[in-house]
Amino acid sequence: DTAVSQTPKYLVTQMGNDKSIKCEQNLGHDTMYWYKQDSKKFLKIMFSYNNKELIINETVPNRFSPKSPDKAHLNLHINSLELGDSAVYFCASSHSMDRVHEQYFGPGTRLTVT
Amino acid sequence: GENVEQHPSTLSVQEGDSAVIKCTYSDSASNYFPWYKQELGKRPQLIIDIRSNVGEKKDQRIAVTLNKTAKHFSLHITETQPEDSAVYFCAASLPREYGGATNKLIFGTGTLLAVQP
Repeated sequence: DTAVSQTPKYLVTQMGNDKSIKCEQNLGHDTMYWYKQDSKKFLKIMFSYNNKELIINETVPNRFSPKSPDKAHLNLHINSLELGDSAVYFCASSHSMDRVHEQYFGPGTRLTVT
Repeated sequence: GENVEQHPSTLSVQEGDSAVIKCTYSDSASNYFPWYKQELGKRPQLIIDIRSNVGEKKDQRIAVTLNKTAKHFSLHITETQPEDSAVYFCAASLPREYGGATNKLIFGTGTLLAVQP
């Protein structure tokens, strides 16, 4: 019955490693997002996709690469992890791009880089 | 681009009192203003939103007001309860024709609301 799900929930890894976070939504939405929430709780958009097409690509290091195999999935791959990448990453989805709609967030993935 | 400021950063009230959180935005073309509630360790969830064609919206104990001239909007929670304790985020969105990507939300910095029983 989960609307937006993410895996894993927790991710602890060392600097320099490469890791991926997966996101899936079963709401039939066209648009999906990745947000980063830092230690001060600040929420910032990183990427959005609409029907597998990249729409928003904020000033994010090239080490971050999103991939949308279909409109129900949006994964985030991070290369050469750095200490500053430690944060909670939220996936979200919304109905479509025709107008602004409510965004439904996933449970978050807490990434800790040591 | 759009910038959203939110105050206060922390707010402590007694159960039953009212709480008000205020946000200002920079781009007068912004037309959608949601409020999200994030409980500790949980995901943000939409609690109320308002579009630029209305000045006020209510849903039971919560209300949002929008002053387009002053470019500010506020969240009002009446008869606060301990379960209202959470971090509240305001956000603003620019319509696509003004250079925004539809559904791109710019969030405020959050307000930690503590309701003391």
